[in-house]
Amino acid sequence: KQEVTQIPAALSVPEGENLVLNCSFTDSAIYNLQWFRQDPGKGLTSLLLIQSSQREQTSGRLNASLDKSSGRSTLYIAASQPGDSATYLCAAFNNYGQNFVFGPGTRLSVLP
Amino acid sequence: ETGVTQTPRHLVMGMTNKKSLKCEQHLGHNAMYWYKQSAKKPLELMFVYNFKEQTENNSVPSRFSPECPNSSHLFLHLHTLQPEDSALYLCASSPGLAGYDQYFGPGTRLLVL
Repeated sequence: KQEVTQIPAALSVPEGENLVLNCSFTDSAIYNLQWFRQDPGKGLTSLLLIQSSQREQTSGRLNASLDKSSGRSTLYIAASQPGDSATYLCAAFNNYGQNFVFGPGTRLSVLP
Repeated sequence: ETGVTQTPRHLVMGMTNKKSLKCEQHLGHNAMYWYKQSAKKPLELMFVYNFKEQTENNSVPSRFSPECPNSSHLFLHLHTLQPEDSALYLCASSPGLAGYDQYFGPGTRLLVL
């Protein structure tokens, strides 16, 4: 059974700092991995989707990498801004399943 | 309206009430999902529908009853809920299964008294 963990659970950084969020999964037989952002009490917004054949995806100040062999993905946020404050979730989609397994999330606070 | 919409946004109900949550997607997608998000727990998949057919029931208690009349609408009928069912219920849609990008609605915040 796939399990997804995220470290750290919470992170507080000053504005302008570059930061890395970590996601680990136990079963490397994934179809793809997706990063989401969730603002308090709101739904999820998709940030990046990495197919299993890809190593990374980039969108603006965000870069996500995927290493299937080690069961890890990282989300790199460059030049963080207060508007980046949110909970970031990763989710792994298994080859044999029909759904994403979500991690518990990392709650990010970017201080002005 | 665009994207995925959910109504109501907030709901308070007693344990003996019957209520329904509604989700509608305007993206032309074929797959729809219900998720439950409780405090301090990862997002939990409840049900998956693909082309109106239920393809996944993730061991959800029978007091939750989904309905998918067409590919654009998804309902979650609630009856005799328990206080521990209080949570944020999220609906999502995707073009198909097999790990397509999922688009989420804003959620319904449910409180069971």
